[in-house]
Amino acid sequence: DAGITQSPRHKVTETGTPVTLRCHQTENHRYMYWYRQDPGHGLRLIHYSYGVKDTDKGEVSDGYSVSRSKTEDFLLTLESATSSQTSVYFCAIIGGSGSGNTIYFGEGSWLTVV
Amino acid sequence: GIQVEQSPPDLILQEGANSTLRCNFSDSVNNLQWFHQNPWGQLINLFYIPSGTKQNGRLSATTVATERYSLLYISSSQTTDSGVYFCAVNTGNQFYFGTGTSLTVIP
Repeated sequence: DAGITQSPRHKVTETGTPVTLRCHQTENHRYMYWYRQDPGHGLRLIHYSYGVKDTDKGEVSDGYSVSRSKTEDFLLTLESATSSQTSVYFCAIIGGSGSGNTIYFGEGSWLTVV
Repeated sequence: GIQVEQSPPDLILQEGANSTLRCNFSDSVNNLQWFHQNPWGQLINLFYIPSGTKQNGRLSATTVATERYSLLYISSSQTTDSGVYFCAVNTGNQFYFGTGTSLTVIP
């Protein structure tokens, strides 16, 4: 258990509305990630953070923004949700150090945009 | 980025059978992990195995880093082994995932 909590776990929202997903960790990990998982695509990186207020884009960042105002929370925002953003979203952290980095996932957030 | 390929994409087994899942990667990596995604969507860490062989109960894994592949062995499969198995490799703090092997174990 890497102490990762995602909220909400399930959400249905309408096209065009803003949505924020929250990832909370309790173990002071520096690196945090947001992935989306879709059939046939596996896990794809949206954004990641390497410290408070330090974030960078992943391979599928269009339509998403993130914020990290404190170590324990990493927020993913869909400014104006679209049906193509219907997906399962996973937050992850890195445990270990140096070359021995190990990734741990939260339990996922199921988002449906109608 | 690093390309990660998993095979086979789908596998159906009779309960009690053995299986081997493969993960190939295109470049040198610092680490390799195997995950099981259960039918409820939870991603469970199975092995952290940058090289060598590890065993945990009925599961074992071998990574041959010089040849850029890893194998996950499941022996005496059970219905609870069903789900999707992913491998992930990393260089520094960037992780790359395969698209998984979907395993169905039938009683």
